[in-house]
Amino acid sequence: AQKITQTQPGMFVQEKEAVTLDCTYDTSDPSYGLFWYKQPSSGEMIFLIYQGSYDQQNATEGRYSLNFQKARKSANLVISASQLGDSAMYFCAFTGNTPLVFGKGTRLSVIA
Amino acid sequence: NAGVTQTPKFQVLKTGQSMTLQCAQDMNHNSMYWYRQDPGMGLRLIYYSASEGTTDKGEVPNGYNVSRLNKREFSLRLESAAPSQTSVYFCASSRGPRGNTIYFGEGSWLTVV
Repeated sequence: AQKITQTQPGMFVQEKEAVTLDCTYDTSDPSYGLFWYKQPSSGEMIFLIYQGSYDQQNATEGRYSLNFQKARKSANLVISASQLGDSAMYFCAFTGNTPLVFGKGTRLSVIA
Repeated sequence: NAGVTQTPKFQVLKTGQSMTLQCAQDMNHNSMYWYRQDPGMGLRLIYYSASEGTTDKGEVPNGYNVSRLNKREFSLRLESAAPSQTSVYFCASSRGPRGNTIYFGEGSWLTVV
């Protein structure tokens, strides 16, 4: 069974600084995808970024980038130039031969 | 601009009561899902429907039933609610069951007393 791990229950970052949220996964599937979602205090789940296992380059979407290290089975989310509105829960998720499986999340707090 | 719509948004049930959570999507997606979210547990898959006419169990199916009414609609039923089913429920949809971005509804807050 796929397993996805987020080891940081909570993180703090200064406004305008960069922050990395960790995510590791365990799978034997040859083809898979990794996602990051943001959940603000209002509760909705917002898709941020996707990385496919065969993608040659790390995914980027605006201030979000995914540091994908296939050999280490890690897919860390990097948020550059943090803003107060980035304060939220962040979930890493995996799909291979199963529907999306989520990690337990990291709560990011951005400090002014 | 609806995307995935789920109702009701809030519900309080007494133990043993039944209810159905409704979900509809307007993105012509083939696959639909029901997740529950509990504090510290992330989102866990209850049931999913890879395509119209099919349903499959997820990680935590006990106490729930689902119906894929048509391509647009996927309902979740609690036949006899228990306090352990107090949770936030999310409906979601995607083009296919593997490797596609999943889009979520706004969530339904259910309390069983």
